[in-house]
Amino acid sequence: AQSVAQPEDQVNVAEGNPLTVKCTYSVSGNPYLFWYVQYPNRGLQFLLKYITGDNLVKGSYGFEAEFNKSQTSFHLKKPSALVSDSALYFCAVRDMGNSGYALNFGKGTSLLVTP
Amino acid sequence: GAGVSQSPSNKVTEKGKDVELRCDPISGHTALYWYRQSLGQGLEFLIYFQGNSAPDKSGLPSDRFSAERTGGSVSTLTIQRTQQEDSAVYLCASSLEWAGGNEQFFGPGTRLTVL
Repeated sequence: AQSVAQPEDQVNVAEGNPLTVKCTYSVSGNPYLFWYVQYPNRGLQFLLKYITGDNLVKGSYGFEAEFNKSQTSFHLKKPSALVSDSALYFCAVRDMGNSGYALNFGKGTSLLVTP
Repeated sequence: GAGVSQSPSNKVTEKGKDVELRCDPISGHTALYWYRQSLGQGLEFLIYFQGNSAPDKSGLPSDRFSAERTGGSVSTLTIQRTQQEDSAVYLCASSLEWAGGNEQFFGPGTRLTVL
């Protein structure tokens, strides 16, 4: 079975400060990991993914994420937050060895960046 | 088109009525997915289509839900005899031919309200 946990329902950060949105996963094999962002009344927008290779993955809008196999984590980070980063963030996983087709999403973390 | 499109954007219906939701995937994407997003439930996988293969219907919550994909492109999700618990945002996504690491691109969703 595969699952994703986003332990924080909401993260608050001041503009200009670094931000971290946490994600941990559980799979029986090796994971494919994804981050998506959802703005109000919009669909999900792909940010970045980890497939293999370097543990630090860089994505859209200055976001990056670090794959940590020993801690089974894939935290999303940005060095300097913008007010426009305020949105709902979803982590998702697929087990490489799983024949299922769907992404398994976390419950989402609401990020609020204050001026 | 430039992205995944869905129609209608909003649908209000009465309990017991049937509804049809439409999805136009990105041109050239052979994989198509339907998800449901509701408060407290996060994102739930419903069904997956890949080319001419038999769809993966493992996520459909009941036999009132069905979906088809005509000509390997447009897909329609049908909910018969709608219930209030069907109220949710229905998201469609597409990707290049299925491979675990291919990211999915989401449409803006259809917000369904069952009165």
